[in-house]
Amino acid sequence: QKEVEQDPGPLSVPEGAIVSLNCTYSNSAFQYFMWYRQYSRKGPELLMYTYSSGNKEDGRFTAQVDKSSKYISLFIRDSQPSDSATYLCAMKQAGTALIFGKGTTLSVSS
Amino acid sequence: GAVVSQHPSRVICKSGTSVKIECRSLDFQATTMFWYRQFPKQSLMLMATSNEGSKATYEQGVEKDKFLINHASLTLSTLTVTSAHPEDSSFYICSAGDRVLPDTQYFGPGTRLTVL
Repeated sequence: QKEVEQDPGPLSVPEGAIVSLNCTYSNSAFQYFMWYRQYSRKGPELLMYTYSSGNKEDGRFTAQVDKSSKYISLFIRDSQPSDSATYLCAMKQAGTALIFGKGTTLSVSS
Repeated sequence: GAVVSQHPSRVICKSGTSVKIECRSLDFQATTMFWYRQFPKQSLMLMATSNEGSKATYEQGVEKDKFLINHASLTLSTLTVTSAHPEDSSFYICSAGDRVLPDTQYFGPGTRLTVL
């Protein structure tokens, strides 16, 4: 079993839809959870950063971490064509490098 | 926000030559920098972790003599691909850990290496 599992999609939604992206993980020692957005041929851009469990909201984006289920989510409200990208979940223990999921490719059509 | 730059953004070289890629943290000090490799439609694979002033720690399967990493200052790390071969063609991305928030990583824009 891989440390971080993420469905690669692709996921296609119409503009304005609510998007739900998810990852599961196996290492209960992970403490830091992040979501990155990556456009084609570009480096990943940090979207959300969460320490331990709970919810975090930033504009149209909400990140949720459920450590008891080893499950994290990213919700995108009112999705826009500009949200079309690959979304990578990533997590880590303190002082270690990030471990990434495979990424989910999202396409938002206008 | 924290900015990480990489240079060059794209490089094409002949087989057998060496290529150096620079990674700079522009507005923060990075005690730790990470080098990743990404193949098309794949996730990022960690190659090595470098701490300023010390030797890099390489992931299993990554040849340290082929991928030379130098982290000379708190804002600069370099990756040199020595004697490059076509199978080294890939997208190389660096990231830097913020000294103030050490568990946050900011990524550079990546360098696309093509070895002919």
